[in-house]
Amino acid sequence: HVQLLESGPGLVQPSETLSLTCAVSGDSIGTEYYWAWIRQPPGKGLEWIGSVHSSGNTFYNPSLRSQVTMTIDTSKSQISLKLTDVTAADTAVYYCSRHEIVAASHGFDTWGQGALVTVSS
Amino acid sequence: DIVMTQSPLSLPVILGEPATISCRSSQSLLRENGYNYLDWYLQKPGQSPHILIYLGSNRASGVPDRFSGSGSGTDFTLKISRVEAEDVGVYYCMQGLETPFTFGPGTKVEIK
Repeated sequence: HVQLLESGPGLVQPSETLSLTCAVSGDSIGTEYYWAWIRQPPGKGLEWIGSVHSSGNTFYNPSLRSQVTMTIDTSKSQISLKLTDVTAADTAVYYCSRHEIVAASHGFDTWGQGALVTVSS
Repeated sequence: DIVMTQSPLSLPVILGEPATISCRSSQSLLRENGYNYLDWYLQKPGQSPHILIYLGSNRASGVPDRFSGSGSGTDFTLKISRVEAEDVGVYYCMQGLETPFTFGPGTKVEIK
């Protein structure tokens, strides 16, 4: 079955760019799924950041749209997230997940283990 | 954005007893195709969230049948028929009707 593994720097300086990668294994990225990033500040709830399809189509949370870029590399089976001009408010565990594009979606059916990113000088 | 609310936010439960969590959305999650775009997730302590229920009432693969989801439109319920120790954690509802997808604040379930 498919597995997701997030990776990237655990510490980012304020005003810098946060960059994370999600490696997909056990299945191809394919065309039937969107691949999403979801974050969770320490001790708080979940926030959907955005989703990207292998076609390059993206949906971003309007609250983060000015900061976010998501890309997908099907040859490497990787999804990437870039979040620019970060502040302490962007400190969170960042999860990679996936959801189907069909009408009867099974929700976010697979999640990575998460990557903690702290924004601090 | 669709706002999701949950109640209660904290739920002490007795092992073997039932438990119920409510979720409400600021607008209907029922689409013309008859599906309610409401999912339930459980985040156990120290773990990533995982899906329990999708489209309002469908159990995800591997989810025990003591979990059930119901409701339509704006009001939804997650029921655990008999709570087991492994059910502790934070339960989130989420709307998948439109972007931005939004989650409820979470209900923390702990053993009384």
